[in-house]
Amino acid sequence: EPEVTQTPSHQVTQMGQEVILRCVPISNHLYFYWYRQILGQKVEFLVSFYNNEISEKSEIFDDQFSVERPDGSNFTLKIRSTKLEDSAMYFCASSSGTLGYGYTFGSGTRLTVV
Amino acid sequence: DAKTTQPPSMDCAEGRAANLPCNHSTISGNEYVYWYRQIHSQGPQYIIHGLKNNETNEMASLIITEDRKSSTLILPHATLRDTAVYYCIVIHQAGTALIFGKGTTLSVSS
Repeated sequence: EPEVTQTPSHQVTQMGQEVILRCVPISNHLYFYWYRQILGQKVEFLVSFYNNEISEKSEIFDDQFSVERPDGSNFTLKIRSTKLEDSAMYFCASSSGTLGYGYTFGSGTRLTVV
Repeated sequence: DAKTTQPPSMDCAEGRAANLPCNHSTISGNEYVYWYRQIHSQGPQYIIHGLKNNETNEMASLIITEDRKSSTLILPHATLRDTAVYYCIVIHQAGTALIFGKGTTLSVSS
C-alpha cells in the first residue's frame, strides 16, 4: 500500500535555528498538507498545497513558516527561526483530490526545540 | 464544511462491537463523512468514508441515517489495538483540508 514518508522521525534543534521537515507524498496525489500536534492537544491544520501554490492556510501558518515542493517528489516545511512552542509532532499528508478517496498521513516528525 | 459533534469518550469490552456516534446535523447534500483514528501519537489513519449509503470495509462499517444528520462507525469486534481517538470529519470539496476536532477517545479493555 502506498505510503507518505517523513524524515527525520525526530529532530532536535536550538531555539532560533532554521529547520526543514521533509515529506515524500504518494506519487500520484495532487494535494499536500502539513499538520502539527502539540503534546496532549489535537491535530491542527497548518497549510495545504496544490498546483505549486498554497491553497489554504490556518492562522498558525505565519511568516516564520514556508512550504515548498522543490522537485517532483519532495514536499518540505521550513520553520525559519524556531521557538520553544514549535515543539510538536508534524504530520504530512497527501490526497488525490477526488472526493471518495482517503487522505494519507505520514508517521510524523517529532520536533523538539531546546 | 458541516460541524460535527462526538462524545468525548467511550469504553468497549474486547471482542464486542464498538459503536461510535457522530452528529452532523448541518451536513449538505454533497458533503462526505470521513472517519479517521489516531493511535497514540501516530499519524491519523483513514478508516472509512461515505456519502449517503452505508459502507463496509475490512476495518469497519459506516451507517449513515437517511436524513444524513448523523452517522455511526462500527468496529464489529474491537481489540485492544483499537484503543485510539476517533474523528468524524465532514468535507464538501475535493482537496479541502481535513479539520480535526477533539474526537472520541475509545478505550478497549480485556
